[in-house]
Amino acid sequence: GENVEQHPSTLSVQEGDSAVIKCTYSDSASNYFPWYKQELGKRPQLIIDIRSNVGEKKDQRIAVTLNKTAKHFSLHITETQPEDSAVYFCAAIATAGGTSYGKLTFGQGTILTVHP
Amino acid sequence: GAVVSQHPSRVICKSGTSVKIECRSLDFQATTMFWYRQFPKQSLMLMATSNEGSKATYEQGVEKDKFLINHASLTLSTLTVTSAHPEDSSFYICSAPGPIDRRADTQYFGPGTRLTVL
Repeated sequence: GENVEQHPSTLSVQEGDSAVIKCTYSDSASNYFPWYKQELGKRPQLIIDIRSNVGEKKDQRIAVTLNKTAKHFSLHITETQPEDSAVYFCAAIATAGGTSYGKLTFGQGTILTVHP
Repeated sequence: GAVVSQHPSRVICKSGTSVKIECRSLDFQATTMFWYRQFPKQSLMLMATSNEGSKATYEQGVEKDKFLINHASLTLSTLTVTSAHPEDSSFYICSAPGPIDRRADTQYFGPGTRLTVL
């Protein structure tokens, strides 16, 4: 099965700095890579995702890059703000026909703390 | 987007009792739903895949007789923790793949249920 490794486990930055979280996956069949933000006691929220036919995707302060050959993908947050503080999870899944009926495998999570 | 609800949001029970958690897709049908367990400061671990009209598929190490899953309809899956013990205390979250016409390639999560077994 799929195995997703995520680093670092904790990340502390000053407000305005950039934050980078990296993940690797093992299953070459995985073709969809979402990133989730989870606040304490709440559900994971999708913040950005990328498919295997794309190398990079950006949405305002958040960007994700994917290297299929190396099987790794990264989340980049620029101009961090205190409200970005949360736990971030990467995930990988092999989708077929545009659906996600397969199993979503999560990374271990990164606790991001943005200091004012 | 697609909305998934869970009930209850929080439950406290005595050791040995059973607890039922409901997961509903409110504005779309879900033939498949997923149940996750999340311990404090840990990642989401998939427990089982709930399939409407057939038996659930459990992940390795998850006791199917302890965690009963019933996918009664296209909008409802239930997880029953039988004879709960303190070590079952956790955050349980369900998810469902989005409908075909709305981001079917992603999963929508319920708000989670905090189970505390005394």
